[in-house]
Amino acid sequence: EIVMTQSPATLSVSPGEGATLSCRASQTVSSDLAWYQQKPGQAPRLLIYGASTRATGIPARFSGSGSGTEFTLTISSLQSEDFGFYYCQHYNKWPLTFGGGTKVEIK
Amino acid sequence: EVQVLESGGDLVEPGGSLRLSCAVSGFTFDTCDVSWVRQAPGKGLEWVSGFRGNGDKTYYADSVKGRFTVSRDNSKNTLYLQMNSLRAEDTAVYYCAKGYRTGWNYFDFWGQGTLVTVSS
Repeated sequence: EIVMTQSPATLSVSPGEGATLSCRASQTVSSDLAWYQQKPGQAPRLLIYGASTRATGIPARFSGSGSGTEFTLTISSLQSEDFGFYYCQHYNKWPLTFGGGTKVEIK
Repeated sequence: EVQVLESGGDLVEPGGSLRLSCAVSGFTFDTCDVSWVRQAPGKGLEWVSGFRGNGDKTYYADSVKGRFTVSRDNSKNTLYLQMNSLRAEDTAVYYCAKGYRTGWNYFDFWGQGTLVTVSS
C-alpha cells in the first residue's frame, strides 16, 4: 500500500497569516491526491482534488500543488473558520490511504 | 441532492459482530465507488473498504481483511459493512463516503458517521 506522510503534525498560525501543509507519498500517485478539512464532531469536507483543483464552494485562499510524491496545501490568509484538521488522501489505486493529518491551531 | 446516511453503530463485545448500513440517494451505485472510512477516537482517518461502482469488485484495508465484508443492495440503494471478530481497535466512527465517480475515488459526499464501540 502507498503510505501518505503529512507534516507538520501541528501548525500554529495567527489569523490573517498564511499556512503551508505538506503531504508525501511513498510512491508516485501522479496527481491523484485530495485534501480534506475536518472540524471536531463533523465529517470531513473535500477541499482539493486532482492535487490542485478546488472543490465546489471552496474559497480561493485554498490552493494545492504538486505531483508524483510531493504535495502542498496552502492557505493564503487564515480565517477563523479555517482552524481544524487537514488530511491528504491518494486515490491512485486500491487500497486508498490517508495521511496522518495536520492540526492547524490558533497561535 | 446527494445524501448519505449511515446507521447500525452500537456497543458490542470483543469477538462479536455488527452490520452497518449506508443508505444513499441522489445518485446510483453504477456511477461511482462507495467506501467506508473510519476514525478512532482522537485519531485520523483510515480507509476501510470500498465497493466498485460498475461491477462487484470489493477492496479492503489489511487491518480488516478477512473480518469485514462489504456488500450492497441496488434495489434499496444501500451499502452494508458486515463486521465480524471485532476488536477493541475497531472502535471508531464509521463514515460512508461517495467517490466522485468510478475510478476517481476522492470523496465528494460523506455521511455524518455511526459510532461503533467494541468493549466488554
